[in-house]
Amino acid sequence: AQKITQTQPGMFVQEKEAVTLDCTYDTSDPSYGLFWYKQPSSGEMIFLIYQGSYDQQNATEGRYSLNFQKARKSANLVISASQLGDSAMYFCARSYFGNEKLTFGTGTRLTIIP
Amino acid sequence: DAGVTQSPTHLIKTRGQHVTLRCSPISGHKSVSWYQQVLGQGPQFIFQYYEKEERGRGNFPDRFSARQFPNYSSELNVNALLLGDSALYLCASSFGQGRITDTQYFGPGTRLTVL
Repeated sequence: AQKITQTQPGMFVQEKEAVTLDCTYDTSDPSYGLFWYKQPSSGEMIFLIYQGSYDQQNATEGRYSLNFQKARKSANLVISASQLGDSAMYFCARSYFGNEKLTFGTGTRLTIIP
Repeated sequence: DAGVTQSPTHLIKTRGQHVTLRCSPISGHKSVSWYQQVLGQGPQFIFQYYEKEERGRGNFPDRFSARQFPNYSSELNVNALLLGDSALYLCASSFGQGRITDTQYFGPGTRLTVL
């Protein structure tokens, strides 16, 4: 199985600091997409950011950026200037060419400390 | 614009019963996918439907089935419920073009408890 690994089960970060959430993946496919989702305690998965395997530049969306290192098969999420509302579970996921099945990692629980 | 909607929000069933979960996609989206999220884990892919046809199926038993209607809404059915079926069931919709760039947008989920 092509696995997604998130090695940080939990992180505590001071408000207004930047935080990096790690994600590595297995793949033998040249074409794939990488996604990050946020899941608050309410349960809904909220899409944050996307990176395609052929994209030359790292994706950015507001305070979110993706540090994509293709050779190392890593796609770390960087949140700048963290806010209390950023406290949630964060999941890394990848898609496959030709279908939209997402494979998810086990998630990282981020807690922002005031 | 309305996001993905799911019903019911919560459900309690007993072992052996049957359950039907419902999902309405974002307007314009033709693909619906279902995921099961057991406590403490990431979501696991169950099914994807596109234009009423099953496009993908995860590693789940035949007790799990789904269908998609002409208006692109979808139902997930689970027969002969087991305690291990207790989970959050998430529905996601997308344009369904089969591209790696197609983003799936999730609904709020249905929390199923099997007693």
